[in-house]
Amino acid sequence: GNSVTQMEGPVTLSEEAFLTINCTYTATGYPSLFWYVQYPGEGLQLLLKATKADDKGSNKGFEATYRKETTSFHLEKGSVQVSDSAVYFCALTNTGFQKLVFGTGTRLLVSP
Amino acid sequence: EAGVTQFPSHSVIEKGQTVTLRCDPISGHDNLYWYRRVMGKEIKFLLHFVKESKQDESGMPNNRFLAERTGGTYSTLKVQPAELEDSGVYFCASSQVAVGGGYTFGSGTRLTVV
Repeated sequence: GNSVTQMEGPVTLSEEAFLTINCTYTATGYPSLFWYVQYPGEGLQLLLKATKADDKGSNKGFEATYRKETTSFHLEKGSVQVSDSAVYFCALTNTGFQKLVFGTGTRLLVSP
Repeated sequence: EAGVTQFPSHSVIEKGQTVTLRCDPISGHDNLYWYRRVMGKEIKFLLHFVKESKQDESGMPNNRFLAERTGGTYSTLKVQPAELEDSGVYFCASSQVAVGGGYTFGSGTRLTVV
């Protein structure tokens, strides 16, 4: 079946540090991959996505590259800010299906 | 445009009671989804409406859960009777077309069953 595995958190960083949140997936066919973010007190927001192998999704300084050979979609940001503190969810949808399959989420805490 | 609205934002009920969660999607969005995150685990799909019809309800955990979308507008998710393991955050999402993953989510309803 389809599944997503994320690194456990919390991830604690100082402002301006480099961020990596690992995400690997298992899926049949050709899934689309997503990162969603949930800021405190808010709903899930789509952060970025990639729909085919070697695509790079990017938004707000965050990037993730769809790596089919390693079945990964790691989230990176070169310099985090306090305002990036949130829970980040990796997710996929598979060909012909509309429902999202999520990972467990990774909480990021950025201190000044 | 107004986003996806869910209410209540929080609900605390006793085991055995009934709770009804409501979701108002973005106007004009035919697709409406319910998801649930239990105890800090992964967010899991519950069901998908297209207008008033249930397109996929494969994620509904058991027959204590009943989802409706009368008239193809807002949706309700009723839990009756509630059990302790039903505690979690219930998210609703909507989209204009059934494009995988391109949804707008609501802020969620945090349900606590005691």
